[in-house]
Amino acid sequence: QQQVKQSPQSLIVQKGGISIINCAYENTAFDYFPWYQQFPGKGPALLIAIRPDVSEKKEGRFTISFNKSAKQFSLHIMDSQPGDSATYFCAASMRRNTPLVFGKGTRLSVIA
Amino acid sequence: SAVISQKPSRDICQRGTSLTIQCQVDSQVTMMFWYRQQPGQSLTLIATANQGSEATYESGFVIDKFPISRPNLTFSTLTVSNMSPEDSSIYLCSVGTASYEQYFGPGTRLTVT
Repeated sequence: QQQVKQSPQSLIVQKGGISIINCAYENTAFDYFPWYQQFPGKGPALLIAIRPDVSEKKEGRFTISFNKSAKQFSLHIMDSQPGDSATYFCAASMRRNTPLVFGKGTRLSVIA
Repeated sequence: SAVISQKPSRDICQRGTSLTIQCQVDSQVTMMFWYRQQPGQSLTLIATANQGSEATYESGFVIDKFPISRPNLTFSTLTVSNMSPEDSSIYLCSVGTASYEQYFGPGTRLTVT
């Protein structure tokens, strides 16, 4: 049973455009929702994260939107750049120091 | 944040042999996690390693195949035993923090021939 569903699998965005990746979860015990960015040959890097007590969090060009009632959260990348081309994973966990459950990933390509 | 290093960064091993992967953190952490990432796939949890206790394994992973050590608060090892080509993957360690964040090492890329 996949606990975190991520879409789309792949995404092509023009430079300067907005990239949007969506995730949905099933387990209402989840209370931490991070996004990771992974470049080929590298480990996943924590990009931005949110807890359910807020509906949105913004850090630079990256924004998480969180809808607790719909059990959905999304990553928006504003002014997308070719350097943003990577695989993005959403994840969820239940408490501090517990394992993450990952979505299947989205391969983003930003083209000039 | 935490800085995590893994050794080796990559290896090519023969079927039937074993490889031990080391994970070193630059600060003391309670929980360390080992994940596997098959080519082009997402991350799957192998086990959780809490210092001072036995590792907890996820369904489909067993201690005889993936023994883990956690001798102190900054170090852990994962051994992949009696390897087969199906074990070819990226093996990642990560650490938990008191503030929810989890950080990953650079990974160990294992190819079994």
